[in-house]
Parts: sequence; C-alpha cells; structure tokens
Amino acid sequence: KAGVTQTPRYLIKTRGQQVTLSCSPISGHRSVSWYQQTPGQGLQFLFEYFSETQRNKGNFPGRFSGRQFSNSRSEMNVSTLELGDSALYLCASSADRAHEKLFFGSGTQLSVL
Amino acid sequence: GIQVEQSPPDLILQEGANSTLRCNFSDSVNNLQWFHQNPWGQLINLFYIPSGTKQNGRLSATTVATERYSLLYISSSQTTDSGVYFCAVERSNDMRFGAGTRLTVKP
Repeated sequence: KAGVTQTPRYLIKTRGQQVTLSCSPISGHRSVSWYQQTPGQGLQFLFEYFSETQRNKGNFPGRFSGRQFSNSRSEMNVSTLELGDSALYLCASSADRAHEKLFFGSGTQLSVL
Repeated sequence: GIQVEQSPPDLILQEGANSTLRCNFSDSVNNLQWFHQNPWGQLINLFYIPSGTKQNGRLSATTVATERYSLLYISSSQTTDSGVYFCAVERSNDMRFGAGTRLTVKP
C-alpha cells in the first residue's frame, strides 16, 4: 500500500503571496488532517476533512483553508503569507482520525521570505 | 484547551539502555497516540492507546486514563531510535500535541 504523499517537498514564497499544498492519503482512508510544525509553537492541528467535509478545525486564522476531493485527496491553501507561516506542514490520513492511528506524509517545508 | 506535558524534554542514552518517556494531560481524553519523528522529519505512529497497555517489539506503552498519564517504554535502545517522541491527545475534537522528548542514542 502506498503511503501518504505530500507535494511539493519544499516551497519558497514571499510575503503576501498565496500557496497551495497537496496531500494524497493512503488508499481507502477517508480522513485527511493537516498540521503545522514550527520550532516555537511545536505541532499544531490545523483542520480535518472527512468525506469532503471539514469536520474539525484548530485555532488558526481564516487565511488557512482547505478542501477535500471525492477521491479523498486534499489541498491546503494559505493566503496572504506572513513570515510566521514558515513551517513544516504535515498531513495525515486515517480511516477515521478520532478513533484510528494516523499515518503522516513527509511534509512540505514552506519558507516565507 | 487541554494541556499536554512531556518529560523529560531531552534524553541521552548509550546504546542498549532502557528508557521511559512520560506524557501527562490535564483532562480526560478519548484518544491518545505516540509518534516518533526521525531526524529527517518523518512522523511515524507508534501506538494508538487511549487506555491500557500495548507492546510492539522493543517498545511498549501504557495509558492510565483515570490518572491522566501515558508512558512509553523503550528497551535495548538502538541508534535508530534517536529522534523526537511526541504524544498527542484528543478531547471533544480538540487535538493537542506535547512538546516532545528529544532522544539521542549514542553508539
């Protein structure tokens, strides 16, 4: 079974731009969740999508958004980038996040200059 | 929101030694998981363990939900065990991670 695939692996953007990150879950998994990891704040939950619906959301501004397609692939969008958005963005898939193990992708390292 | 504390923050071991990592949480939870992040940033799920005890090879974990803590045991540590160990808890769809324990295993 293929693992969770995130693209791209690295991204460099400038302040004010927007960015879209992609995540393909493990086949059969309907839940995709997103996380931000920074040295200062650690790992934080962004949001979760299940069957194309946002099911849960962490405490992040509206500039962070996402969506899930019918094949369970998910995208995360960050608009009007700020320097503080520089982070490793991780996605994870599971059969059902709240009750099953999470499987993580390798992440997208975003640098905002 | 729920508070998660991991201890110790850093741990240095000689290969072959055993260790215990702790995760304390401030409220009842319905989900607790342990992860290992390797030096390349990849997060690997070790255990899904909201309560009870589980073992997987040299690793085992115990969660005492009523006392709001979980322990991760690593026996006969190897250099490949190096990295950061995180616990993550969830309550009412609010998921929180601990700050992690950075483990270094020296040959």
